[in-house]
Amino acid sequence: AQTVTQSQPEMSVQEAETVTLSCTYDTSESDYYLFWYKQPPSRQMILVIRQEAYKQQNATENRFSVNFQKAAKSFSLKISDSQLGDAAMYFCAYRSSVGNEKLTFGTGTRLTIIP
Amino acid sequence: EPEVTQTPSHQVTQMGQEVILRCVPISNHLYFYWYRQILGQKVEFLVSFYNNEISEKSEIFDDQFSVERPDGSNFTLKIRSTKLEDSAMYFCATQVRTSTDTQYFGPGTRLTVL
Repeated sequence: AQTVTQSQPEMSVQEAETVTLSCTYDTSESDYYLFWYKQPPSRQMILVIRQEAYKQQNATENRFSVNFQKAAKSFSLKISDSQLGDAAMYFCAYRSSVGNEKLTFGTGTRLTIIP
Repeated sequence: EPEVTQTPSHQVTQMGQEVILRCVPISNHLYFYWYRQILGQKVEFLVSFYNNEISEKSEIFDDQFSVERPDGSNFTLKIRSTKLEDSAMYFCATQVRTSTDTQYFGPGTRLTVL
C-alpha cells in the first residue's frame, strides 16, 4: 500500500517570502500522480497543483511550484511571494494510475503567514 | 466554473440515528468518491463509485455505510446508525474519467453525532 509522509506539522513564513513544504511517499509503482491540496479554515479542499510521475518537468502554477524527485520519492511544494491568503493546511496526496484511483493523503502541514 | 456541491453543510444528529449526506457532482463527471476527515486528522478514503456500483471501499466503510446515486445526479452517503466516532467532515469528490483527471472536492458536510 502506498503511504504519504509530511514531516512538518507546522511551518511559518513572513509575508512575501518563500517557503517549501516537504512530502515523501512510498510506492512500488512507476506511474502515478501527486497532488497538493490546500485546506483553508473553511475546510474546503482546493487543488493547488498536480504532477504526473512520467513527466520530468516540475509543475508550476503561478506562485506555486513543485520539486519532484522521483528516485528519492520526494515531492515538495514551494510557495513564492507568500500572501496572507496562503495560510491554510496543505495536504500532499498520491494517486495510482491504475485501479479506482483513490487519493492517499499525508497528515498535512499547517502554514502560517506572518504579516 | 462548475463545482461539486454538498448538502447539508452541517448536520447534527443523535447517536443511533440515520443520516444521509448528499453530493451533486459536476455534470459530466463519472467517478465519485467519499472521504472523511476527523477533526485534526488527515483525509481518509471511504468509497469509490462508478457505473452505479462500488468499485472500492476502505475498512472504515462497514455495513453501516452505503452509497447510491438514486436519480442519476445526486450521489448520497448513508450512515444507518450513527456512532460518536462518525463525527467528522465528509467530503465528496468527483472526476471525469480515470487516469489523467483530477478529483474535485465539494465543500464538505460537517457531521456531529451527539
